Amino acid sequence: QVQLEQSGAEVKKPGASVRISCKASGYTFTSYHMHWVRQAPGQGLEWMGIIDPSGGSTTYAQEFQGSLTVTRDTSTSTVYMELSSLRSEDTAVYYCARDFGSSWYYFEYWGQGTLVTVSS
Amino acid sequence: EIVLTQSPATLSLSPGERATLSCRASQSVSSSLAWYQQKPGQAPRLLIYDASTRATGIPARFSGSGSGTDFTLTISSLEPEDFAVYYCQQRSNWRTFGQGTKLEIK
Repeated sequence: QVQLEQSGAEVKKPGASVRISCKASGYTFTSYHMHWVRQAPGQGLEWMGIIDPSGGSTTYAQEFQGSLTVTRDTSTSTVYMELSSLRSEDTAVYYCARDFGSSWYYFEYWGQGTLVTVSS
Repeated sequence: EIVLTQSPATLSLSPGERATLSCRASQSVSSSLAWYQQKPGQAPRLLIYDASTRATGIPARFSGSGSGTDFTLTISSLEPEDFAVYYCQQRSNWRTFGQGTKLEIK
């Protein structure tokens, strides 16, 4: 069965960076694109970006251009999300979510979420 | 950016009743719309994609309809496990979500 296992909660100071991992199993890693979606406390969902694990190409939402970097390691079937220049507004649960296929942009499987707290 | 507006914000119903949730787009998204269910402390779950196609394993009591700017998620007879927050999401122009409808037990 498809599983997306994310790394644990993080606490960061403003201005720092955070890196979250998402290890995929149960399917061919390079056949499905992977997204990152975040959810601030008590708020809705916000799409951040996508990676094609096959070639490594990425697309980011405009508001994350310059601060978001998504990478992958095909040898371990893991996708990484790094967010830099953190502010308190970046406090949220961050989810990796597998695409329906290749850039269908529907989110079929989700990780369990990683809480990132940004506080001085 | 396409804005998705969901209504109502909160819907109070009893098990066995029919639920009708609405999602309106600020411009046409054709049929490029999905619905998700989220329970407290859990990740969202894909219910419907392409406006009306049920995702794998989703019970038949969930159905989606609409195209263009107006969409509806219907739950024909509410089960206790259906009380949750529901989000719509469009993929026509970038990717945006609605603000959610909370379906609560009356």
